Amino acid sequence: QQQVKQSPQSLIVQKGGISIINCAYENTAFDYFPWYQQFPGKGPALLIAIRPDVSEKKEGRFTISFNKSAKQFSLHIMDSQPGDSATYFCAATFGGNMLTFGGGTRLMVKP
Amino acid sequence: GAVVSQHPSWVICKSGTSVKIECRSLDFQATTMFWYRQFPKQSLMLMATSNEGSKATYEQGVEKDKFLINHASLTLSTLTVTSAHPEDSSFYICSAYQPQNNYGYTFGSGTRLTVV
Repeated sequence: QQQVKQSPQSLIVQKGGISIINCAYENTAFDYFPWYQQFPGKGPALLIAIRPDVSEKKEGRFTISFNKSAKQFSLHIMDSQPGDSATYFCAATFGGNMLTFGGGTRLMVKP
Repeated sequence: GAVVSQHPSWVICKSGTSVKIECRSLDFQATTMFWYRQFPKQSLMLMATSNEGSKATYEQGVEKDKFLINHASLTLSTLTVTSAHPEDSSFYICSAYQPQNNYGYTFGSGTRLTVV
């Protein structure tokens, strides 16, 4: 049973636009929600992460919005650039256990 | 920041041979190492979890005799694919966990295994 559902599977955004990726989780024990960026042939790299005691976290052009009651969180990429074209994964975990990954979103930013 | 060095980055081997993949945490001690497998255009699938000095815990459906994991020290974990077959061709990624890190999970750069 997939515990983290991610949408959309693919996304095309114009340069300068906002990219929005959504994730929903089921396990209320999760207490750490990271987002990873992965380029082809490379391992995932941590982009930004949030814990459930805050509703939003911003780092540069990247923002996580977190809705604990709805068990949803999302990644917003402002002023999207062609260099942001990659696959993005949301994940969730608790207590140092394994990360449970969403299915991934392939983002293409058109120049 | 925390760095995990994974080698080799790619390897081609013949069917029936074994391949070893190494992951080293360069500037921290990893209490736990996770090994993932990723097929093209798919998400990461956890294969096993290993803690230093103890046997690895394998996910359901992962053959422990085929995918040997050794976590001999807090800075080194290895995955050996034994008697490799073409269906084992995949992208293998390790992830080291250090509870002292604010963001405790650091990924290696991955190993592309092709079995011919």
